[in-house]
Amino acid sequence: DVKVTQSSRYLVKRTGEKVFLECVQDMDHENMFWYRQDPGLGLRLIYFSYDVKMKEKGDIPEGYSVSREKKERFSLILESASTNQTSMYLCASSFRDRATNNFGPGTRLTVT
Amino acid sequence: ELKVEQNPLFLSMQEGKNYTIYCNYSTTSDRLYWYRQDPGKSLESLFVLLSNGAVKQEGRLMASLDTKARLSTLHITAAVHDLSATYFCAVVLYGGSQGNLIFGKGTKLSVKP
Repeated sequence: DVKVTQSSRYLVKRTGEKVFLECVQDMDHENMFWYRQDPGLGLRLIYFSYDVKMKEKGDIPEGYSVSREKKERFSLILESASTNQTSMYLCASSFRDRATNNFGPGTRLTVT
Repeated sequence: ELKVEQNPLFLSMQEGKNYTIYCNYSTTSDRLYWYRQDPGKSLESLFVLLSNGAVKQEGRLMASLDTKARLSTLHITAAVHDLSATYFCAVVLYGGSQGNLIFGKGTKLSVKP
C-alpha cells in the first residue's frame, strides 16, 4: 500500500513564525499535492508538484510556498504564519496522469 | 471554472433507512472519486468512477456516474451507525493540470439508532 506520511499530526505556532510542513511518500509518485481543509469549504488545493523542483500554484497559494528537492518529499512553507492559516493540511500523491488517491493523515495547524 | 456541488451538506438519518447523496459538476470530466472522512482523520478512497454509466458497490454504499448529466450519486442502503462520516465527491479537472481534483464541500452523514 502507498504510504503518505506527514511530519506532525498537530502543530501550534505563533503569528509571524515560519512554519514547515513535511510530506513524504514511498511509492515513487511523480505528483504531490498540498490541500487545506476548512469547515464548510471542503478541500482546496494550495500547490502541487509534478516533478522534482517543479511546482504549480493551486487555487489558494497566497501566503504559502513549497519545496521539492527530492522526489519523495514535498514541503509546504508558511513564511510568516497568520491566524487565518489555522486549518487542517492534507498532503497527497499520485502517479503522473493519475488523479490523486492517496492522502496523508493530515496536520492540524493552529496559529495563535 | 469547474464547480462541484454536493447535496445535501448535512444528512441525519435513522438506521435501516435508504438515502442518496448527489454530486453535480459544471464542466466535462471523465473521472469522479468518492471519499469518506471520519472526524479528525484523513480521506479514505471509496470509489473511482471512470466512465458514463459506471456503477460500483461496496457493502451498503453504491456509487454511479452519469457524465452526460454531470451527476454522480452515492446511495446508502439500510444505513448503520458505522456509516456516520463526511463523504466527499471530487472531479478531475478535464484538460487541467495533471491529477488536479476539485472537491465538493462534503456531506456530513449522521446515522442514528
